[in-house]
Amino acid sequence: AQTVTQSQPEMSVQEAETVTLSCTYDTSESDYYLFWYKQPPSRQMILVIRQEAYKQQNATENRFSVNFQKAAKSFSLKISDSQLGDAAMYFCAYRSLFLGESNYQLIWGAGTKLIIKP
Amino acid sequence: GAVVSQHPSRVICKSGTSVKIECRSLDFQATTMFWYRQFPKQSLMLMATSNEGSKATYEQGVEKDKFLINHASLTLSTLTVTSAHPEDSSFYICSARDGDPYNEQFFGPGTRLTVL
Repeated sequence: AQTVTQSQPEMSVQEAETVTLSCTYDTSESDYYLFWYKQPPSRQMILVIRQEAYKQQNATENRFSVNFQKAAKSFSLKISDSQLGDAAMYFCAYRSLFLGESNYQLIWGAGTKLIIKP
Repeated sequence: GAVVSQHPSRVICKSGTSVKIECRSLDFQATTMFWYRQFPKQSLMLMATSNEGSKATYEQGVEKDKFLINHASLTLSTLTVTSAHPEDSSFYICSARDGDPYNEQFFGPGTRLTVL
């Protein structure tokens, strides 16, 4: 079974600085998706970025980028130029590309609370 | 992205009553819907997965007679908490996806259930 681990319960960063959130996972599959989701105080889950495992190039979305190390099973999120609106819980998630019994369900990490200091 | 609505956003009920939560996909056909429960400061815990027209698949430890899930159409799934008790108070989130393995799932805004 796949697992996702986020070892940082909480991180803080000064506004306008850069912060990196860590995520590791375990799987025996070769093709899969990895995601970072943001959950602000409103509790609406928002997709930040996703990475297909078969793509070597790291995904980027504006100020958000990932460092995907497939062999190390590591998937960190870098937030550049941190803004007050980035304050939220961030969840790393894994999804298989194979239907099987999973129904494409997401496997979630425990989350990291990101605090932005003004 | 696609929109998933959830209703109600908040509900307060008395112990012993039943509560129904609706999850709708507004602009796509949701072949699969997921129901999650989230405790404060914790991650999402998958309760069950429902495929349109089929019985829901419940995760281990989730009482199927307690949490009734119906996915009768490609745009609507419902979660009914039967004979609710204070320990059922939580934040419930649904998500929905179509059948394309390359597409993501979309989340509803959640429902805060408080059982008195």
